[in-house]
Amino acid sequence: DIQLTQSPSFLSASLGDRVTITCRANQGINNYLAWYQQKPGQAPKLLIYFASTLQSGVPSRFSGSGSGTEFTLTIGSLQPEDFATYFCQQVDSYPRTFGQGTKVEAK
Amino acid sequence: QGQLVESGGGVVQPGGSLRLSCEASGFSFSNYAMHWVRQPPGKGLEWVAVTAYDGGKKYVDSVKGRFTISRDNLVNTLFLQMNSLRNEDTAMYYCARAPGETTEDLWGKGTLVTVSA
Repeated sequence: DIQLTQSPSFLSASLGDRVTITCRANQGINNYLAWYQQKPGQAPKLLIYFASTLQSGVPSRFSGSGSGTEFTLTIGSLQPEDFATYFCQQVDSYPRTFGQGTKVEAK
Repeated sequence: QGQLVESGGGVVQPGGSLRLSCEASGFSFSNYAMHWVRQPPGKGLEWVAVTAYDGGKKYVDSVKGRFTISRDNLVNTLFLQMNSLRNEDTAMYYCARAPGETTEDLWGKGTLVTVSA
């Protein structure tokens, strides 16, 4: 199974900050990596797929990059609605696997 | 765009069974692989199972032999039959279309399964 390791697990940031979350795979996943945002009591919301493709309707302050085994989600300027938990997921092979999550909190 | 609505969750004793349903609307259900993903309270996401449009199925190791995913394309419904339930199966169960794969990613709101004596 492909293991995904996200870092950091927790992140304290202020409005307007640039935020970066990393997801590392233990083997190559052909850029088949997605990023989700989840708020309490809600289903995950897709932000990025295929490592860097922005999902329709997602603000452009969100971006994804990386290749091979290391990937990054960047929030260009943190907004109030961005405080949430973020997960990466590989869709290269089964079983699908997720990173453990990164909770973004207000500093 | 479409909609997915899960049902069937509840409280069940260890060793018991439960059948989850996910009713799809607004898209051509039979054309898509459909997945179940779960999330224990306060924890991360775990992919559970998939059924392809042609009926092919895959499972995470922890549920193999206990859970069965199926679909009825005539009534646009996805199912998850869960047997021999364990405490660690307690989670919110989401059904999803193409999760993380394309712009056609779609999730339901989830149904809560609690395994407790």
